[in-house]
Amino acid sequence: GQNIDQPTEMTATEGAIVQINCTYQTSGFNGLFWYQQHAGEAPTFLSYNVLDGLEEKGRFSSFLSRSKGYSYLLLKELQMKDSASYLCVALDSNYQLIWGAGTKLIIKP
Amino acid sequence: DVKVTQSSRYLVKRTGEKVFLECVQDMDHENMFWYRQDPGLGLRLIYFSYDVKMKEKGDIPEGYSVSREKKERFSLILESASTNQTSMYLCASSPSDREVYGYTFGSGTRLTVV
Repeated sequence: GQNIDQPTEMTATEGAIVQINCTYQTSGFNGLFWYQQHAGEAPTFLSYNVLDGLEEKGRFSSFLSRSKGYSYLLLKELQMKDSASYLCVALDSNYQLIWGAGTKLIIKP
Repeated sequence: DVKVTQSSRYLVKRTGEKVFLECVQDMDHENMFWYRQDPGLGLRLIYFSYDVKMKEKGDIPEGYSVSREKKERFSLILESASTNQTSMYLCASSPSDREVYGYTFGSGTRLTVV
């Protein structure tokens, strides 16, 4: 079956760095998304990786290893507004999205 | 700015009622989707559409139907609401090259069926 695994919850300190890991198993693979979702709001697009390696976008970076079925989202210089859920989403061979349940990130001062 | 608008933020309906959830996008996107989101679960796809008057079942279509008469509007219909359809419903749209731009979501409709 198709599956996404990511931690349920993580806690980090303002100003620090945090890495949210995600492993996936899909029928074929056409890329991986990360979305941010604040409580009570809609998910917003953060990144898309289809090739191995690291993509950097300001304070956020996303990494992909296709051979390991593994991705991570790296958040630097954490701010209180980064408190949110982070959703790992894989795109399978039929271009259907497979959603993880999300990692709730709590930032403490 | 790209926008997906869902007609209601909160809804309370009675068991057995027919419920309409409306979604409108102003980006001329080809693709539109309806998801539900429940605590501890990933988003689950109910129905999607890649063109006007076209619809495809997602992973959990039972108890739902959809309508796409115009490109910008995608409606989700609960034929006879039940308590297990209490959930957050999210509409999304994407252009044909969605892999690069991702999906744009509406703000969601939190539906409670009593």
